[in-house]
Amino acid sequence: AQSVAQPEDQVKVAEGNPLTVKCTYSVSGNPYLFWYVQYPNRGLQFLLKYITGDNLVKGSYGFEAEFNKSQTSFHLKKPSALVSDSALYFCAVRDFLSGNTPLVFGKGTRLSVIA
Amino acid sequence: DVKVTQSSRYLVKRTGEKVFLECVQDMDHENMFWYRQDPGLGLRLIYFSYDVKMKEKGDIPEGYSVSREKKERFSLILESASTNQTSMYLCASSVGQTPGNTIYFGEGSWLTVV
Repeated sequence: AQSVAQPEDQVKVAEGNPLTVKCTYSVSGNPYLFWYVQYPNRGLQFLLKYITGDNLVKGSYGFEAEFNKSQTSFHLKKPSALVSDSALYFCAVRDFLSGNTPLVFGKGTRLSVIA
Repeated sequence: DVKVTQSSRYLVKRTGEKVFLECVQDMDHENMFWYRQDPGLGLRLIYFSYDVKMKEKGDIPEGYSVSREKKERFSLILESASTNQTSMYLCASSVGQTPGNTIYFGEGSWLTVV
């Protein structure tokens, strides 16, 4: 079975400070990992994904995420937060062994960036 | 750019009504999905489809059905709407069978059942 956890319901950070949104996963094989962002009253937008290769993945809007196999984590990061980054962030996973099955999503983390 | 269009953004329906939520994608994607989103529960998969006329149950299919008569269109049907189906419904699509492929979402449909 595959699962993903976002241990923080909410993260608050001051504008200009670095931000981290945490994600841990559980799979039987190798993971495919994704981050999505949702702005108010909108659908989910793809930010970045890890398939294989470099553990540091760069994505849209200056976001990046680090894959850590030993800690089964895929935390989302940004060096300098903007107020406009305030949104709901979802981590998702798919196990390589499960083939083309639907993504499994975490419950989401609400990021608030304070001016 | 991939476009997934959900034709109805906001709907208000009465208990017992039959409700259709329509989703169309313009990128010839094989795979389509319906999720519902509720505060504190994240996204939960209702149904998905890997091909025309094919459908698979997700985690919470009870009270819902789907139709995929054409590759680009995936409809979610609430046979008899109930108040506990008030939610945000998200349609998504992806290409092919490669597990690493990204799925793309529509803007969502807010359904209120009164």
